[in-house]
Amino acid sequence: DAKTTQPPSMDCAEGRAANLPCNHSTISGNEYVYWYRQIHSQGPQYIIHGLKNNETNEMASLIITEDRKSSTLILPHATLRDTAVYYCIVRVPQTGANNLFFGTGTRLTVIP
Amino acid sequence: GAVVSQHPSWVICKSGTSVKIECRSLDFQATTMFWYRQFPKQSLMLMATSNEGSKATYEQGVEKDKFLINHASLTLSTLTVTSAHPEDSSFYICSAYRGITDTQYFGPGTRLTVL
Repeated sequence: DAKTTQPPSMDCAEGRAANLPCNHSTISGNEYVYWYRQIHSQGPQYIIHGLKNNETNEMASLIITEDRKSSTLILPHATLRDTAVYYCIVRVPQTGANNLFFGTGTRLTVIP
Repeated sequence: GAVVSQHPSWVICKSGTSVKIECRSLDFQATTMFWYRQFPKQSLMLMATSNEGSKATYEQGVEKDKFLINHASLTLSTLTVTSAHPEDSSFYICSAYRGITDTQYFGPGTRLTVL
């Protein structure tokens, strides 16, 4: 699976949009982009995933560039409870067997 | 939907004893579950893949005789840390794979402290 690169940390003001970038320049054509987050001392929480079209759900939006070499997770109105480590992962879908590689992620701190 | 529970949420034990951690998918069936370990300030590391009705597959460097995994049903996998030592103290997290959404859902984790 392709590896990803994320900034180690980011700050965001409460109520503002948090834009978390991810670089996956070696992504292959059949790999999806997944985002998880881990709040301190909890298990990771699935956020969203996509292939090439932009995706939106109740938690966030995922913007994938046309060449698919990078993506951005957008939390439209960050709250203090969004403070967490955010992981961007690329994987081949429908393989069942684990291929979730958790890198170092981005530690997002939402500031009051 | 897609809720995964773990029990206990934390446990303290003496060195040399065994500890069992349960992972349950509450509202879906999971033929595959995964066990991860996370040390302080580090990311999750996969320990093993647990398949219902068959032997678990362990990652390199993980001792299968020390970390016993049983996946007896489509909703339950257990991890037993045998003869625990202080270096086994860690945050253990399970996940369950839901095929219909092709997504892993994680449990809340179990913090193990071995004295």
